[in-house]
Amino acid sequence: EDQVTQSPEALRLQEGESSSLNCSYTVSGLRGLFWYRQDPGKGPEFLFTLYSAGEEKEKERLKATLTKKESFLHITAPKPEDSATYLCAVQENPKGGYNKLIFGAGTRLAVHP
Amino acid sequence: GAVVSQHPSRVICKSGTSVKIECRSLDFQATTMFWYRQFPKQSLMLMATSNEGSKATYEQGVEKDKFLINHASLTLSTLTVTSAHPEDSSFYICSARPPGGGDGNQPQHFGDGTRLSIL
Repeated sequence: EDQVTQSPEALRLQEGESSSLNCSYTVSGLRGLFWYRQDPGKGPEFLFTLYSAGEEKEKERLKATLTKKESFLHITAPKPEDSATYLCAVQENPKGGYNKLIFGAGTRLAVHP
Repeated sequence: GAVVSQHPSRVICKSGTSVKIECRSLDFQATTMFWYRQFPKQSLMLMATSNEGSKATYEQGVEKDKFLINHASLTLSTLTVTSAHPEDSSFYICSARPPGGGDGNQPQHFGDGTRLSIL
């Protein structure tokens, strides 16, 4: 069964303290791994798509990387406005069906001044 | 670009009421839209895939007669929770994927969700 596991469940950082979030997955045929940011009471906001092992994407203080079994979201010198829940999702295509996303439970990040 | 609007943002109603939630893609056409449900501090769970001009595809365990989906146009999908009960209280979120790049090569873009509370 396809699964997505994110760790840690929650992370508290001081402003400027860099860290990494992990997303490990098992999927029969990966058709993309997606990172989203979700603020309380809002829908997820798209950050990155990664398709193949070794691929990297960057946006401001965030950098996403992908291996055959996991993805990391690196946060460099975070600011309080980076506080949010970060969701990882893998895209699968069931036989005869539509591409669909399987989400992990997310990592709740809190960055304190 | 790729803006998805969801309405209403919050609904509070009595048990037995039917509630309709709208999902619109504002600046692109979407042949496929998706409906998710999210419980507090839990992940998004796909409920169904909404297909323009045809029947929705429901995930295992989701009651088709309870959660009615209509994809009337390339920019609008609706989810109706029929005869809602307190256990249906949740955060419902829709998404749509812009065209281009082949199926699945564009990311899904999400609405801001609807908080449904059934008393």
